[in-house]
Amino acid sequence: KAGVTQTPRYLIKTRGQQVTLSCSPISGHRSVSWYQQTPGQGLQFLFEYFSETQRNKGNFPGRFSGRQFSNSRSEMNVSTLELGDSALYLCASSFGTGGGQETQYFGPGTRLLVL
Amino acid sequence: AQSVTQLGSHVSVSEGALVLLRCNYSSSVPPYLFWYVQYPNQGLQLLLKYTSAATLVKGINGFEAEFKKSETSFHLTKPSAHMSDAAEYFCAVSGGSNYKLTFGKGTLLTVNP
Repeated sequence: KAGVTQTPRYLIKTRGQQVTLSCSPISGHRSVSWYQQTPGQGLQFLFEYFSETQRNKGNFPGRFSGRQFSNSRSEMNVSTLELGDSALYLCASSFGTGGGQETQYFGPGTRLLVL
Repeated sequence: AQSVTQLGSHVSVSEGALVLLRCNYSSSVPPYLFWYVQYPNQGLQLLLKYTSAATLVKGINGFEAEFKKSETSFHLTKPSAHMSDAAEYFCAVSGGSNYKLTFGKGTLLTVNP
């Protein structure tokens, strides 16, 4: 069974640009969550989608947005990039029907560098 | 609200020695607790999780953790460290129907030969 895949793996952007990251969950999983990992702030929850609907959102500015498609694939977008957005962005998937006890399976991440 | 505190950002042990990584949590609802491991340039891999079935949880690669409600702790242990255990370890909490994982800051484990 294929794991969670994220594309691209590495990305370099400049301040003010926007970026779109993609996540394909494990087959059969309908919940997709996104996390930002930085050395200073650690792992922080961005948002979670289930059946194309955002179910939960973290404390990030509106420049961070996401969406989920009917095949459960998800994208996140960051507009007007800032230097502080440089981070590893991790996507995780789960079945989405068992609550917080479900195991979330993480992808390898997309490393974003903003110059 | 939920939070996780991992005591010790860096733990160093000798190969064959006991590994003990500490995690304390705070949760307003009955918690679900997880330990994940992250190797360089990789995502997170689940080691084990507590979901109220048993307080002593066994995971992969010889790791185990014990849920202690009175101490609000979920420490990770392994009797004998191996060089391949060198990685960063994260404790996380969730609760109820919420899929949000709240992570600790992580503990970097170094294993010395």
